[in-house]
Amino acid sequence: DAKTTQPNSMESNEEEPVHLPCNHSTISGTDYIHWYRQLPSQGPEYVIHGLTSNVNNRMASLAIAEDRKSSTLILHRATLRDAAVYYCILTMGAQKLVFGQGTRLTINP
Amino acid sequence: NAGVTQTPKFQVLKTGQSMTLQCAQDMNHNSMYWYRQDPGMGLRLIYYSASEGTTDKGEVPNGYNVSRLNKREFSLRLESAAPSQTSVYFCASKREVLRNTEAFFGQGTRLTVV
Repeated sequence: DAKTTQPNSMESNEEEPVHLPCNHSTISGTDYIHWYRQLPSQGPEYVIHGLTSNVNNRMASLAIAEDRKSSTLILHRATLRDAAVYYCILTMGAQKLVFGQGTRLTINP
Repeated sequence: NAGVTQTPKFQVLKTGQSMTLQCAQDMNHNSMYWYRQDPGMGLRLIYYSASEGTTDKGEVPNGYNVSRLNKREFSLRLESAAPSQTSVYFCASKREVLRNTEAFFGQGTRLTVV
């Protein structure tokens, strides 16, 4: 199964952009790249997903490398409420959402 | 709109006791999932149900059973609880078992087995 690699932790300042990297060098051609985040003491929530093209929504942007071996979640203007653990997930097979360790994002005021 | 509702929110069990964690979704989703999350770790898939009437094992199914009671409800049963099952349990649902649909999670059940 294809796996993802993320930094354990990152830190940024409020109102600055944040770029969260994810490596997935063994991704298959049909795997979607999903990002979820988990706020303290809550269940994970969906952020964004993509296959090949870059994607934007109201929460974030997803930049996917041309070879699809890596991707970057971009929070354009971080707020304190964005402090969370961010998970980069490949949907390996239709039924599986397999979570890794994620990146703990700290936002400084 | 409730989304995914889990009950109870907290539970303490003695070793060997049994209990059922309840999960219900009101989004008419076909697929439902049970995960566990140990302290400082990511979520691990226990069981899932791709559609009403079907269930399949995930990464860590030992010690658990599930029932897809109807389209709305998916329960997780611990027949004989063990301290190793102390964890936070999350239920999730998806519209379809497809790779490009998002999952919705409940708020979790915090279970302690003593």
